[in-house]
Amino acid sequence: EIVMTQSPATLSVSPGERATLSCRASQSVSSDLAWYQQKPGQAPRLLIYGASTRATGIPARFSGSGSGTEFTLTITSLQSEDFAVYYCQQYNIWPRTFGQGTKVEIK
Amino acid sequence: QVQLVDSGGGVVQPGRSLRLSCAASGFIFSNYGMHWLRQAPGKGLEWVAVISDDGGNKYYADSVKGRFTISRDNSKNTLYLQMNSLRPEDTAVYYCAKSDSSTWYYFDYWGQGTLVTVSS
Repeated sequence: EIVMTQSPATLSVSPGERATLSCRASQSVSSDLAWYQQKPGQAPRLLIYGASTRATGIPARFSGSGSGTEFTLTITSLQSEDFAVYYCQQYNIWPRTFGQGTKVEIK
Repeated sequence: QVQLVDSGGGVVQPGRSLRLSCAASGFIFSNYGMHWLRQAPGKGLEWVAVISDDGGNKYYADSVKGRFTISRDNSKNTLYLQMNSLRPEDTAVYYCAKSDSSTWYYFDYWGQGTLVTVSS
């Protein structure tokens, strides 16, 4: 099983600033990586797949990068609705596994 | 628009059974693989099971293999999860999710979730 590790666990950011979230895989997953956003009491929402392709309807301020074992989700100019928990997920091998999440909170 | 509505959760004693349902609409249900995932209270996400578009192939996480059964009724656009021999560690919000495509890579739409609590 591939272990996904996200850092930091919590990120405190002021509205309008940039947030950079990291995700590391225990072995290479090529570009088979997705990012999700989850707000309290809601289901996760797909943001990014293929490490860098935005899902339908996702604003351009969300961008993903990386390949192999190191990945980054960047949110430029944070909006109030962006404060949430973000998860990465690999789909290179079964079982599909997730990171433990990064909470982006208001500074 | 794609809509997935999860139902069937509740409080159940250890060792008992429960069946979850997921009603799908807004897409051609019979063309897509479907998944169940879960999230224990205050914890992260765990993939549970997947079923192919025609129901002929099914795969499970080791944590539920032999106890849970995923199935679907394409005539009713509904996905199911039969959960037997439930354990306290199965307590979680259970989500159904649609596969991105026939490759079952990631989850592009999710239900709202249904809470299962296993407790005596």
